[in-house]
Formats: sequence, structure tokens, C-alpha cells
Amino acid sequence: NAGVTQTPKFRVLKTGQSMTLLCAQDMNHEYMYWYRQDPGMGLRLIHYSVGEGTTAKGEVPDGYNVSRLKKQNFLLGLESAAPSQTSVYFCASRSTIGRKNTEAFFGQGTRLTVV
Amino acid sequence: AQTVTQSQPEMSVQEAETVTLSCTYDTSESDYYLFWYKQPPSRQMILVIRQEAYKQQNATENRFSVNFQKAAKSFSLKISDSQLGDAAMYFCAYRSADKLTFGKGTLLTVNP
Repeated sequence: NAGVTQTPKFRVLKTGQSMTLLCAQDMNHEYMYWYRQDPGMGLRLIHYSVGEGTTAKGEVPDGYNVSRLKKQNFLLGLESAAPSQTSVYFCASRSTIGRKNTEAFFGQGTRLTVV
Repeated sequence: AQTVTQSQPEMSVQEAETVTLSCTYDTSESDYYLFWYKQPPSRQMILVIRQEAYKQQNATENRFSVNFQKAAKSFSLKISDSQLGDAAMYFCAYRSADKLTFGKGTLLTVNP
């Protein structure tokens, strides 16, 4: 099982450039999340989705946009990258079927550097 | 908004000893779930243990157990017989209906 796959794994951007991070899950999960991880800050929620065609803001949404056109994919976009967006980005997904205490499954992370 | 606080940025333990990592959370909801995740240097997020708020019994998974105090909003993780492979960053997480919120993490070092 592939689980949750993030593309790319590493990327260096110049300030002002745009890019899209792709998260794909093959577990038919309803919920998907995007987090950023910075030293000493833990994982902070950027945006999340409770199902295909839906998105919602998390704790730190500014500077990011998301789309969930297909249930298995959750895209995170940076329209004009800034050095403050240098971080490790994690995608996660979760099922709502069966037990209510289902855990989130995480991708391997994307290390993004904005210079 | 829910908040999760891990007051110990770093902890260390001797191999084979026991260590407890602290976590408190703030919520007004009655139905929620709590998790501990482990993140080794590989960066992979690994579920360690989970607890449902409506269950009074503390969850246990082999050498890992929790002390869940609902009234105090406390959810500590105890690691018994610590092993070198337990060295990692540990995150406490809270989930209600939709959002999954993490603490800032505790870096655990295991000394041989």
C-alpha cells in the first residue's frame, strides 16, 4: 500500500515564485490535512478538507490556497512564495468509516526552502 | 479554539528506565480523541497510542501507556523500559469533529 504520498520531497524556490504540492492517498479517506512543521512550533494546520470539493482554513492559512477536486488528491498552492514559508510540509488523511477514533496517516513530508 | 500544550521541550532517560512526557489541552467539548505520535529523525509520523475521551480506562500499548485525567485535561505518556529506538520527537494531538491539533513536541533522548 502506498498510503499517503507527497510530491515533491524537496524543493527550492525563489521569492515570488509559485508552486503546488500534491498529496495523494489511496485509502479512500474522507478527511485530508495540510500542516507545516517549523522548529519549536510543532505541526500547525494550514488547511483541511472534510470531503471532495470542500476545503476549510486551519490555524495558519495566509499565503496558501488548496483544492480538493478529487477525493484522493489534496493540493496545496503557494502563489507567491516568501522566505517565511520555508518549512517542512506534511499531508495527512483520515477515514470516518468504522471506529470514531481513527488516527491520521501522514505522508513523508516535503522540505521547501524559499530563498 | 483547542490548544495543546507540551511543557517539556526536551527530556532524557537512561536505557531501561521509565520516562513520562506531559501534555495538557484546553477544550469545551465533551467528545474528543487524544493521540501521541512519534517522529524519529526519518521525519515519519508514527502513531504510538490513542485515547477516547469517553473511556475512563487508560490506554496501553506494550511499553507505552497514558495517564488520562479528563477533569484536569491532562494526557501524559509513560514509556517503560526505554530503548534506544524510542529516541524521537513526541507529539501530543487532540481531535474533535474535524480538526487535528498538535502540541509543539518533546524531544526525547535515550542514553545508553
